[in-house]
Amino acid sequence: QVQLQESGPGLVKPSQTLSLTCTVSSGSISSGGYYWSWIRQHPGKGLEWIGYIYYSGSTYYNPSLKSLVTISVDTSKNQFSLRLSSVTAADTAVYYCARVYSDSDTDVFDIWGQGTMVTVSS
Amino acid sequence: SYVLTQPPSVSVAPGKTARITCGGNNIGSKSVHWYQQKPGQAPVVVIYYDSDRPSGIPERFSGSNSGNTATLTISRVEAGDEADYYCHVWDSSTDHRVVFGGGTKLTVL
Repeated sequence: QVQLQESGPGLVKPSQTLSLTCTVSSGSISSGGYYWSWIRQHPGKGLEWIGYIYYSGSTYYNPSLKSLVTISVDTSKNQFSLRLSSVTAADTAVYYCARVYSDSDTDVFDIWGQGTMVTVSS
Repeated sequence: SYVLTQPPSVSVAPGKTARITCGGNNIGSKSVHWYQQKPGQAPVVVIYYDSDRPSGIPERFSGSNSGNTATLTISRVEAGDEADYYCHVWDSSTDHRVVFGGGTKLTVL
């Protein structure tokens, strides 16, 4: 069973860049048929899609975050990463990585990491 | 952008049936997926493609989708079903693509 695990700093200073990595185990990120995604959840709030990437490097981003977000993939390490620049306290959230099954007219977040809490504070 | 509307909360007694709705313009033309999130845990898909259940999800969970409303139905509700539930669609008409509903807190009385 494919598993995902987020890693990265739990505390980031305002105006700095938040960087997280998701390591995929028991499966290849290059297997095709799946996108790899980041979603976040502000404390006590709902789910917010950040973006996703295909193993080839094709990316799709939430338009509201697009100017600040970069998602990249490292197939040799079976990892994908999130960079969110110029963070503020409003970026404090639990960040999840997830596998996305995608076909011609929909996508499904079928496997999720456990999530990692990131706090933006000086 | 496309909007999905869920009731903030639904309450149900154990053993009864809970119905959680997800409203959207002509949502019946889209595939709807439902996620269960228990406190402190990551979401888990419980229904995908409107009405399919992933392996390991009890048959008590079912889904339907028609017109402007998709519905997640949980039969014979148990205390362990208490959680937040989110609907999700893919919206190809805009750059937003991924749309989540605001979530519904299911309380088992």
